[in-house]
Amino acid sequence: QKEVEQDPGPLSVPEGAIVSLNCTYSNSAFQYFMWYRQYSRKGPELLMYTYSSGNKEDGRFTAQVDKSSKYISLFIRDSQPSDSATYLCAFSNTGNQFYFGTGTSLTVIP
Amino acid sequence: DAGITQSPRHKVTETGTPVTLRCHQTENHRYMYWYRQDPGHGLRLIHYSYGVKDTDKGEVSDGYSVSRSKTEDFLLTLESATSSQTSVYFCAISESVETRKYFGAGTRLSVL
Repeated sequence: QKEVEQDPGPLSVPEGAIVSLNCTYSNSAFQYFMWYRQYSRKGPELLMYTYSSGNKEDGRFTAQVDKSSKYISLFIRDSQPSDSATYLCAFSNTGNQFYFGTGTSLTVIP
Repeated sequence: DAGITQSPRHKVTETGTPVTLRCHQTENHRYMYWYRQDPGHGLRLIHYSYGVKDTDKGEVSDGYSVSRSKTEDFLLTLESATSSQTSVYFCAISESVETRKYFGAGTRLSVL
């Protein structure tokens, strides 16, 4: 069983839609939960960083962690064409060893 | 890209040749990391450093070596490049184990 599972997409939505991105994980020791955004031919950029279960909101982005189900989600409200990118989930238990999902490709159509 | 410079940005080389990639940071962060990114595999840790001359192996370290003689520079060497090492290589930095990682723009390496 893979440590992290992420649907690769691609996902295509109209501008203004609510986007839901998801990852599941198998290691119950993971304590840190992250979402990165990666534009084409660029490095990953940290979007959201959470330590516990529950929701964390930052502008149009909401990260949700459900440790009991080993499931995390990223919601994007009022999606914009500039949100078109690949979104990577990442997990860690100690900090040095991060486990990344393979990424979900998102296109927001104007 | 948070004061991280990777060089070269693109490189094409031949099987069997040594290759060195450089990561330079201006943030004075203690931790530096080398990852490779391949389709279907996501980002995988090759090596990391927790201080000058202090390094450790990651998940996919075979065929790679690293050195860190200064806080700001972290070098990744492919001792004898193989086609399986064709990939995009990312450097990352962080202040501590618990804090967030910042990534460089990447180096695209093709081994023919």
